[in-house]
Amino acid sequence: NAGVTQTPKFRVLKTGQSMTLLCAQDMNHEYMYWYRQDPGMGLRLIHYSVGEGTTAKGEVPDGYNVSRLKKQNFLLGLESAAPSQTSVYFCASSNPGLAGFGPGTRLLVL
Amino acid sequence: GENVEQHPSTLSVQEGDSAVIKCTYSDSASNYFPWYKQELGKRPQLIIDIRSNVGEKKDQRIAVTLNKTAKHFSLHITETQPEDSAVYFCAASISGATNKLIFGTGTLLAVQP
Repeated sequence: NAGVTQTPKFRVLKTGQSMTLLCAQDMNHEYMYWYRQDPGMGLRLIHYSVGEGTTAKGEVPDGYNVSRLKKQNFLLGLESAAPSQTSVYFCASSNPGLAGFGPGTRLLVL
Repeated sequence: GENVEQHPSTLSVQEGDSAVIKCTYSDSASNYFPWYKQELGKRPQLIIDIRSNVGEKKDQRIAVTLNKTAKHFSLHITETQPEDSAVYFCAASISGATNKLIFGTGTLLAVQP
């Protein structure tokens, strides 16, 4: 039981490039979330999903898109990366209530 | 939407002392309040949680209290140890609905040996 996994662990992008972060969970959880963590600002919710095929905006959705085509996967896309998107990205899942986090993806946008 | 405020942002205590971290939330419909501990470079880990039908919950040296009327909840750590040093986050959600967790901005706890 791997829990919540994220790929990649680390990535460097140039401004304007695109990328997709993958989150996978093997606990059959309905709810999945993407957060970003910046110094002094805690964990801010980007997008979330309450089940396969559903997505919704969180606190800071601009510049990101998500998809939940399969229950176990939640993808976060950056269409045109900006330096302001330099952050650590955490995925989480829950069913419901208790949320377990993935190990994080460290993204640097130059 | 929900807003969670957390205080203090930093807290330094001597080993063996108690530490208290306080949070307030804005949405009276919130009914689930977890606390997470995050060590440097690691993912947040759940340490204790409380639901709105309970006023207090304790697990060994940590306890959480909830005041629904005032929309306050607090984390209490007794007999602190150096390994308690970390960033602590409170959060609030409406369990059974969207379940989205909204987090406070975190408290850096330093336990001095």
